[in-house]
Amino acid sequence: DAKTTQPNSMESNEEEPVHLPCNHSTISGTDYIHWYRQLPSQGPEYVIHGLTSNVNNRMASLAIAEDRKSSTLILHRATLRDAAVYYCILNAGGTSYGKLTFGQGTILTVHP
Amino acid sequence: EPEVTQTPSHQVTQMGQEVILRCVPISNHLYFYWYRQILGQKVEFLVSFYNNEISEKSEIFDDQFSVERPDGSNFTLKIRSTKLEDSAMYFCASSDWQGATREDYGYTFGSGTRLTVV
Repeated sequence: DAKTTQPNSMESNEEEPVHLPCNHSTISGTDYIHWYRQLPSQGPEYVIHGLTSNVNNRMASLAIAEDRKSSTLILHRATLRDAAVYYCILNAGGTSYGKLTFGQGTILTVHP
Repeated sequence: EPEVTQTPSHQVTQMGQEVILRCVPISNHLYFYWYRQILGQKVEFLVSFYNNEISEKSEIFDDQFSVERPDGSNFTLKIRSTKLEDSAMYFCASSDWQGATREDYGYTFGSGTRLTVV
């Protein structure tokens, strides 16, 4: 499985934007970039995913570098409810049957 | 918004006993998964299931584990003879990933079953 690298932790203030980086230098052409988050004592929650183009949804935006070797999850206005572990995962799509390989993720702390 | 439902939320069992963890995936999804998370550790893939058979399984998913889709709505994980090290949160997930089209979709996870083996 292609590997991702994320900072162990990040901090933000409430109502400020948060940019969570992820490096994936060994990404292959068919790997989709997925982001999930896990709130304390809950299951992982889908945030966003993309292949090549930047993506927006109601939760976040995903900015993908032109060479696809890195990506950034953007939370436009952090709230206390966004405090969670954020996982950047590469999904091999076509042949992987959807197995997700979770790393340690980035622990996001949001200060009031 | 559609949900993946897991029952029970917490199960305590004695070592050596069989347990069945139950999941109701999202109704139009085609792929089903089980993951587990030992306290303080990473979420680990156990098994994926499609078209009534296992598509892929991890090294963790040994002969003590089995999965079944007994009807059109439920998806179960059975552990035949539980060990202390099976104590973990078990998460079910589903996806409408369509493989052949090379499209990719997000996955929906349930809230988990906390299994405690004593």
